[in-house]
Amino acid sequence: GDSVTQMQGQVTLSEDDFLFINCTYSTTWYPTLFWYVQYPGEGPQLLLKVTTANNKGISRGFEATYDKRTTSFHLQKASVQESDSAVYYCVLRNNNNRIFFGDGTQLVVKP
Amino acid sequence: GPKVLQIPSHQIIDMGQMVTLNCDPVSNHLYFYWYKQILGQQMEFLVNFYNGKVMEKSKLFKDQFSVERPDGSYFTLKIQPTALEDSAVYFCASSTGLGSAETLYFGSGTRLTVL
Repeated sequence: GDSVTQMQGQVTLSEDDFLFINCTYSTTWYPTLFWYVQYPGEGPQLLLKVTTANNKGISRGFEATYDKRTTSFHLQKASVQESDSAVYYCVLRNNNNRIFFGDGTQLVVKP
Repeated sequence: GPKVLQIPSHQIIDMGQMVTLNCDPVSNHLYFYWYKQILGQQMEFLVNFYNGKVMEKSKLFKDQFSVERPDGSYFTLKIQPTALEDSAVYFCASSTGLGSAETLYFGSGTRLTVL
């Protein structure tokens, strides 16, 4: 069945470090891929989404490329800030409109 | 961006009681969802709802659970009776449509504690 895999449970960085959060997916057709961010005490909010294979989504300094060849949608940011500390979810929505969340990656950014 | 409001933010009840969680979705949205998140764990789909009907539900959506949106007011999740394992944060979400490119907008959640 369809699924999303985030291997990193937690990533700890210092301010201005480069961020890379791994996400791979499995599905039959062409999904839409999302990154959601969840701050403490809040619900997940959309960070970026990409609907077309081989396109890149960019938002607030974050970017992710929908790579159909490697079935990946890794999240990157050149320089993280303490305010980026949150849980990041990679999410897939397939052609049957079913939604699959990854397990989430807790990002901790130290000042 | 669009806001989904959830009331209350916290609810504490005794096991066996009934509880109703309320969600005020984005005004022009037609599709509604409930998700469950146990502290520190992943988001788990419960149910989605459109045009007065449950469209899809997961195994977590037990017989004790029900959803409705009477006359376009709050979208509600009712649990009757509650059990200890129902303690979690419940997130409501809504979207304009059901297409694969549609974005879900989430509320801030209701933390339910069953004693």
